[in-house]
Amino acid sequence: EVQLVESGGGLVQPGWSLRLSCGASGFTFHNFAMYWVRQAPGKGLEWVASVSWNSAFIGYAASVKGRFTISRDNAKNSLYLQMNSLEPEDTALYFCAKDVDRYGQINFGLDVWGQGTPVTVS
Amino acid sequence: QSALTQPRSVSGSPGQSVTISCTGSNNDVGGYHYVSWYQQLPGKAPKLIIYDVTKRPTGVPDRFSGSRSGNTASLTISGLQADDEAAYYCLSYAGNYTLGVFGGGTKLTVL
Repeated sequence: EVQLVESGGGLVQPGWSLRLSCGASGFTFHNFAMYWVRQAPGKGLEWVASVSWNSAFIGYAASVKGRFTISRDNAKNSLYLQMNSLEPEDTALYFCAKDVDRYGQINFGLDVWGQGTPVTVS
Repeated sequence: QSALTQPRSVSGSPGQSVTISCTGSNNDVGGYHYVSWYQQLPGKAPKLIIYDVTKRPTGVPDRFSGSRSGNTASLTISGLQADDEAAYYCLSYAGNYTLGVFGGGTKLTVL
C-alpha cells in the first residue's frame, strides 16, 4: 500500500523551531518529487515547499522562504521540513504529498497525501 | 504568488452538472500545463481528481473533467451525487521550476 506518514508536529512558542518528518512506503520514493502543504484551522490549502527527486530543484512559498527548509533522504525514504522562527501564522495541519509524475519532476499533481501533523505556535 | 481565484461556493441538484472556475494569470494557470484539482471532505486529506489540466488519475470517475481557457481553468462535475459535496481546490505550477499556488477553495453543496 502506498503510504505517507507525517510526524513531528506539536505546540511551540513563537520563535522556536520544529522539524517535521514524512515516512514513505509502498512506492519507489527516489523516483518522485515531494511536497509540503499546510492548512490553517478552517482555512484553505497553502503550498509550502517542493523538492525534486534528486533535490536539485527546491522551492518555497514567499510566506516561509528563509525560515523553512525542505529536504529528503532517499536512502531512508523520508522527507523533512525544518521550520525555524515559527510565527502564530504558521499554525496549521501540515501534509506531505508525492507527485504523480514518475520522472521525478515538480509538476504539481499531488496524488498521494499523508493524514497530516498539527503544528500550533502560541 | 497570489492565490488563484475560485468562487467561494457553488451548488447543484443531484444529476445536474456544475463547473468550478480557477482564475490566475499568464504566470501560472495560463502559462503552463500543470493545473490540478483536489476534493477535500471534512477532516480528510485532499484527493487528486484532475492533473495536467485534463488528466484523471486511475479510479476517478469520468464524471469529473478538467479544461482550461486562457488564464482560467475549470472543473466540471456531471451527474452530481450527494457524496460529491466537498471543498474543491485548484493548484497550479507558477514557474521557476518549483513554485506553486492554490486557489482559495470552493464549497460544493448538493441540494
